[in-house]
Amino acid sequence: KNQVEQSPQSLIILEGKNCTLQCNYTVSPFSNLRWYKQDTGRGPVSLTIMTFSENTKSNGRYTATLDADTKQSSLHITASQLSDSASYICVVISGGSYIPTFGRGTSLIVHP
Amino acid sequence: NAGVTQTPKFRILKIGQSMTLQCAQDMNHNYMYWYRQDPGMGLKLIYYSVGAGITDKGEVPNGYNVSRSTTEDFPLRLELAAPSQTSVYFCASSTLSGTGNTEAFFGQGTRLTVV
Repeated sequence: KNQVEQSPQSLIILEGKNCTLQCNYTVSPFSNLRWYKQDTGRGPVSLTIMTFSENTKSNGRYTATLDADTKQSSLHITASQLSDSASYICVVISGGSYIPTFGRGTSLIVHP
Repeated sequence: NAGVTQTPKFRILKIGQSMTLQCAQDMNHNYMYWYRQDPGMGLKLIYYSVGAGITDKGEVPNGYNVSRSTTEDFPLRLELAAPSQTSVYFCASSTLSGTGNTEAFFGQGTRLTVV
């Protein structure tokens, strides 16, 4: 069964600090991996999309990594801001069917 | 540019009632999806469509029906509402390249409570 596991479940950091969120998956075959940010009461918004051949991709203060061999991805947030407080969701798209499997998300709270 | 529009934003249903959640996108996307998100859980795929006239079941389709008569619209129908269908429902759309790596856009969600 395709699964996406995220850790930690929740994280509290101080404004200005860095943090790293983890995503492990067992989806096969693999097409691509996405990180989404979901603010409370809103729909998810895409941060990055990574294909099999991409190891690192950045979007401003967000940097995602992908190790397709170990089936792991991470999302690093640099110099956190209060507006980074949200749920971060890892999604893996299955090749062929393009059916997405969602992780449960990591809830990030940035304190001033 | 409206993107993906869902209506209503909130709804309370009594057990056994029926309703349709509306979803419309103006980006000419061929793929559309319906998800439900329960508290503390990941989004689960209910139904999806790869184009007008084509729909398929996702992970949790029981109790729901969909139709895709046009590219723009993808309504989700609940025939006999049950408390287990209390959730937040998200509609999304995307267009896929040959490698399947294009972005999905989500609506703002519909919060449904069945009492």
